[in-house]
Amino acid sequence: KQEVTQIPAALSVPEGENLVLNCSFTDSAIYNLQWFRQDPGKGLTSLLLIQSSQREQTSGRLNASLDKSSGRSTLYIAASQPGDSATYLCAVKEEVDSNYQLIWGAGTKLIIKP
Amino acid sequence: DVKVTQSSRYLVKRTGEKVFLECVQDMDHENMFWYRQDPGLGLRLIYFSYDVKMKEKGDIPEGYSVSREKKERFSLILESASTNQTSMYLCASSHGQFSYEQYFGPGTRLTVT
Repeated sequence: KQEVTQIPAALSVPEGENLVLNCSFTDSAIYNLQWFRQDPGKGLTSLLLIQSSQREQTSGRLNASLDKSSGRSTLYIAASQPGDSATYLCAVKEEVDSNYQLIWGAGTKLIIKP
Repeated sequence: DVKVTQSSRYLVKRTGEKVFLECVQDMDHENMFWYRQDPGLGLRLIYFSYDVKMKEKGDIPEGYSVSREKKERFSLILESASTNQTSMYLCASSHGQFSYEQYFGPGTRLTVT
């Protein structure tokens, strides 16, 4: 059974630093992996989606990588800003009984200190 | 832009009440999903639907039912609300099968007292 783990559960860094969030998964037979951002009390915003055939995706200051063989993805945030403070979740999409599902990590709460 | 809306942002209900959570998407997506989110547990799939009148159980369907009478609307029903159903409920939709990302609504924070 697929398991998705995000470590650490919380992270606090000073403004301006570059940082990396980690996501690991146990079964490499995935269709894609997606990173989301969630602000307190709100829904989710999709940040980056990496197809299983891709190695990375970039959007602005964000770069997400995918290594299926090792079961890992990283979300790199460059030059962090206080507005980046949020919970970041990763989810892998896989086929389950002829349908597909997203399997979620528990998230990493990121705090950027001004 | 894809828009997924949920009927309420905050809801307070009493134990035993029947609760309806509504979700509407405006992009003609085939697939719709209901998740609940609890601290430290991430998102857990309750039910999903890949077509009108079709539904599939997710990881935690107990205590919930769903209805999809129209393509754009997916309802989550708590037949008899209990305090352990206090949670944030998120609806999502997506197009197609395997390659497409999910789009989420703003969430409904349900408190059952």
